[in-house]
Amino acid sequence: EPEVTQTPSHQVTQMGQEVILRCVPISNHLYFYWYRQILGQKVEFLVSFYNNEISEKSEIFDDQFSVERPDGSNFTLKIRSTKLEDSAMYFCASSENPPLGVAGGTYNEQFFGPGTRLTVL
Amino acid sequence: QKEVEQNSGPLSVPEGAIASLNCTYSDRVSQSFFWYRQYSGKSPELIMSIYSNGDKEDGRFTAQLNKASQYVSLLIRDSQPSDSATYLCAVKRTGGFKTIFGAGTRLFVKA
Repeated sequence: EPEVTQTPSHQVTQMGQEVILRCVPISNHLYFYWYRQILGQKVEFLVSFYNNEISEKSEIFDDQFSVERPDGSNFTLKIRSTKLEDSAMYFCASSENPPLGVAGGTYNEQFFGPGTRLTVL
Repeated sequence: QKEVEQNSGPLSVPEGAIASLNCTYSDRVSQSFFWYRQYSGKSPELIMSIYSNGDKEDGRFTAQLNKASQYVSLLIRDSQPSDSATYLCAVKRTGGFKTIFGAGTRLFVKA
């Protein structure tokens, strides 16, 4: 069964360093997402991406974050200058269709990758 | 007011019983509703999605939606110890890509 993959599984970095988290979405999916989950807290939406553009982002997704689809398979999240509070699990997700209310929209079921645990020291 | 509220639990049920998990949401324009299961240290796994008022059944799982009451529930029949996990309710508004998650309900199924 197709699945979302993420690398690395665990990333340790020093405060102020840049990190790039990588994701390979399910191959026929066109809509991509990043979420984060701080330990013991709820899953939080960061950003959605379609057709090489951000379609929606949360207030968490500030100027230190960026996303890119550098080729036909990878989807990346870059954190420019990491802070201690960026330590979290970062999940990539993908969906085949847009959400209801968007042209062509339907169920928009999102499938999550296994996550990257980011530890900022 | 929290956007998506769930009882944090833990909810403990004996093996074979029905587990009932509840969720309320605040945004009336919410249109799509999802239940995810998350084992400790793992990623959310989609169990059910529901969009229309009423019940939707898939195997041992039944999702129930009442938009007038802004209430979503998940019933797990014949609960198994392997169902022990945190169950996340998630909501998406019409035309929005952002999915809002509740904090989750921890379920323990005792053998």
